[in-house]
Amino acid sequence: SAVISQKPSRDICQRGTSLTIQCQVDSQVTMMFWYRQQPGQSLTLIATANQGSEATYESGFVIDKFPISRPNLTFSTLTVSNMSPEDSSIYLCSVGTDYEQYFGPGTRLTVT
Amino acid sequence: AQKVTQAQTEISVVEKEDVTLDCVYETRDTTYYLFWYKQPPSGELVFLIRRNSFDEQNEISGRYSWNFQKSTSSFNFTITASQVVDSAVYFCALSELYNFNKFYFGSGTKLNVKP
Repeated sequence: SAVISQKPSRDICQRGTSLTIQCQVDSQVTMMFWYRQQPGQSLTLIATANQGSEATYESGFVIDKFPISRPNLTFSTLTVSNMSPEDSSIYLCSVGTDYEQYFGPGTRLTVT
Repeated sequence: AQKVTQAQTEISVVEKEDVTLDCVYETRDTTYYLFWYKQPPSGELVFLIRRNSFDEQNEISGRYSWNFQKSTSSFNFTITASQVVDSAVYFCALSELYNFNKFYFGSGTKLNVKP
């Protein structure tokens, strides 16, 4: 299994600003994933982050809006840029190990 | 295309009632994984079960049981003698067996268990 922590746990931000969310895993993992869960909705994969390469984004998500860093095998960041109220969501970090995915506690973002 | 459907948006039961959450999936793959996750109000996703497409045996874990039927592409989840602590949103998900990083989540079923 894997234990995942995220910072911050929640934040309230002004529109037009950016927020960087950190994800830390207690073991080395090859793949890390970022999901978005809009209010009352299901989870949508934003991108897959492999260490040493550029993140792979899903349809509808672009690097300029959601830049991702993956400097090592235990850490990743997701930045939500130029935020608007539509970005208000829970952002979850996830790692894949042994054909399972473990999810972090999430970052609850509110954009005003 | 891969798709997971949870037709029940919200279910309300009284404590000690049994409740079944439905999950129907679509996939072009012959091998795949199915999952159930629980999301309590705190927001964290809690892993409940993984089932691979090779194994159609039903599984029981305490008050939880799962019925996997490939013939109907269903993976239903039953809670026996529900408790207030079972109140949460439950997600069914599908992943490809050899590309497990790609999860397809259903829309979730919100379960309300009233005392």
